[in-house]
Amino acid sequence: EVQLVESGGGLVQPGGSLRLSCAASGFSFSDHYMDWVRQAPGKGLEWVGRIRKKSGSYTTEYAASVKDRFTISRDDSKNSLYLQMNGLKTEDTAVYYCSRADRTAHPAFDHWGQGTLVTVSS
Amino acid sequence: DIQMTQSPSTLSASVGDRVTITCRASQSVSSWLAWYQLKPGKAPRLLIYQASTLGGGVPSRFSGRGSGTEFTLTISSLQPDDLATYYCQQSNFYPLTFGGGTKVEIK
Repeated sequence: EVQLVESGGGLVQPGGSLRLSCAASGFSFSDHYMDWVRQAPGKGLEWVGRIRKKSGSYTTEYAASVKDRFTISRDDSKNSLYLQMNGLKTEDTAVYYCSRADRTAHPAFDHWGQGTLVTVSS
Repeated sequence: DIQMTQSPSTLSASVGDRVTITCRASQSVSSWLAWYQLKPGKAPRLLIYQASTLGGGVPSRFSGRGSGTEFTLTISSLQPDDLATYYCQQSNFYPLTFGGGTKVEIK
């Protein structure tokens, strides 16, 4: 069974940093692109960014709203995905979901974690 | 960026009704369109990918159609468990973008 479990959320002050983790199990983690998606309170879903697999040189893509502040990385040996968030703003307050991309040419998010809440507030 | 526009934003229907949600893209995304179901406190669920392919374990009452800029998600016979918010998402261009969501309520 595919499982994605996020951790690392919490309360942080504006301008601060936080690192989210996502532990993956039940599938060959190294074979998939992985994504972060967020949902602010009362709002819709917003894609945060993607990291490709080794054959894609682990390259990344980001939403404009987080580019240059957030960094996605992965450790295939630990089946883990990470989101380093720096320069946090109040508008980054959201539930952050880890998701697995399917293996089509333009992947959808075929499995999701339950999410971890990040609150940016003074 | 590709803008995804969903309608309606809220939908109220009775158990057994046929329900259709529309998603329009600001430019063609070919068939690279997915639909997701969100319930509070639960992990989002992929319903449809590549516009019309049913996700794993998804009941057959869900179906998707369309290509280019116009897509639909249909629930053939609404069930109480379908109370949720539904999102479309295009995967043809970066940044990946979602529609604003359609909240489905049961009358």
